Amino acid sequence: AQSVTQPDARVTVSEGASLQLRCKYSSSVTPYLFWYVQYPRQGLQLLLKYYSGDPVVQGVNGFEAEFSKSNSSFHLRKASVHWSDSAVYFCSNNYAQGLTFGLGTRVSVFP
Amino acid sequence: EAGVTQSPRYAVLQEGQAVSFWCDPISGHDTLYWYQQPRDQGPQLLVYFRDEAVIDNSQLPSDRFSAVRPKGTNSTLKIQSAKQGDTATYLCASSPFGGVTGQLYFGEGSKLTVL
Repeated sequence: AQSVTQPDARVTVSEGASLQLRCKYSSSVTPYLFWYVQYPRQGLQLLLKYYSGDPVVQGVNGFEAEFSKSNSSFHLRKASVHWSDSAVYFCSNNYAQGLTFGLGTRVSVFP
Repeated sequence: EAGVTQSPRYAVLQEGQAVSFWCDPISGHDTLYWYQQPRDQGPQLLVYFRDEAVIDNSQLPSDRFSAVRPKGTNSTLKIQSAKQGDTATYLCASSPFGGVTGQLYFGEGSKLTVL
């Protein structure tokens, strides 16, 4: 079965610090890969997506992610976080049956 | 452009009661998905449609769950005889072009609590 794994359930960072969220996917072929963010009491919003080509993709609000086929990974990064980045982040991949999501990583940014 | 609209936003039931959730996708999006998101977990696909046709409903938990999209636009997800284990947020999402891009547009969800 196709799946994604997010090994970190919670991450706490200081405002202004850098952030990296890990995601590993399992697939025999390169899937489409996505990062979504869920703010409190809201639906999921797309941060960025990877289909092919340049392994580093830019997203909204200063986020970027790097695809690695050799490591089966698609890690999310941000150079300097703001308190408004506190949310739950989901890695996902897409096959014929719609998106498969990881369990999510809850990010808390404190002053 | 209006986003995906869901109602009701919240529902509280006793076990054994029924509930229906309604979804209005983005205009022109042919593919519609229903996801179940238990607390502190990722969304899990229940069913999805292309136009009015069910493409995959193999993940609907049981015959207590049903979903329709009769005219290929709005959709209803119904839970009959709800159980405490059904407590979750139910997310509707839509996508254009048969969903081939993989990018989904989500509504804010309907949060169900079964007492």
